[in-house]
Amino acid sequence: EDKVVQSPLSLVVHEGDTVTLNCSYEVTNFRSLLWYKQEKKAPTFLFMLTSSGIEKKSGRLSSILDKKELFSILNITATQTGDSAVYLCAVDHRDDKIIFGKGTRLHILP
Amino acid sequence: GAVVSQHPSRVICKSGTSVKIECRSLDFQATTMFWYRQFPKQSLMLMATSNEGSKATYEQGVEKDKFLINHASLTLSTLTVTSAHPEDSSFYICSAKRGIGSPLHFGNGTRLTVT
Repeated sequence: EDKVVQSPLSLVVHEGDTVTLNCSYEVTNFRSLLWYKQEKKAPTFLFMLTSSGIEKKSGRLSSILDKKELFSILNITATQTGDSAVYLCAVDHRDDKIIFGKGTRLHILP
Repeated sequence: GAVVSQHPSRVICKSGTSVKIECRSLDFQATTMFWYRQFPKQSLMLMATSNEGSKATYEQGVEKDKFLINHASLTLSTLTVTSAHPEDSSFYICSAKRGIGSPLHFGNGTRLTVT
């Protein structure tokens, strides 16, 4: 059965800390891995990763994929209270289905 | 960038009534749209894949007669929750891809409360 597992499920850190969120997957016909940030409403897209070892970066956020070990990490450096959200990892199949993990609930303390 | 619009954002209805939720792709054509459901503090669960001009594909355990999906044009898909009951109360989110291999873009979701 296809699955996406995220860890930790929740995380509380202080502003300024660096966090690493993990996502492992077991999926047939892998196409890409996606990271989303969800605050009060629908998820917003962060990154799409298709190739191993190539870091994607956007400001203080970065992500990398390891297709051999079947995992990805999302790093957030110098965290701010506005980074508090649920971070969702998802895997896109070649048959066009997208499976989401349960998410990591991140809370940044001021 | 791609924009997906969903309406209404919030609806409260009485048990037994039907509710229609609209999902539009505003700046691209979407032959396929996806409907998700999310309970509080849970992840997104795919309910069905909406295909333009053909029947939707429902995930296991999702009643197709209860959750009617219509994808009549390349920019509009609708989800109708028929004979809604309190257990149908949830956050419903639609999404679409600009093309094969593109990331999903989400609408802002509809919070349904059935009293």
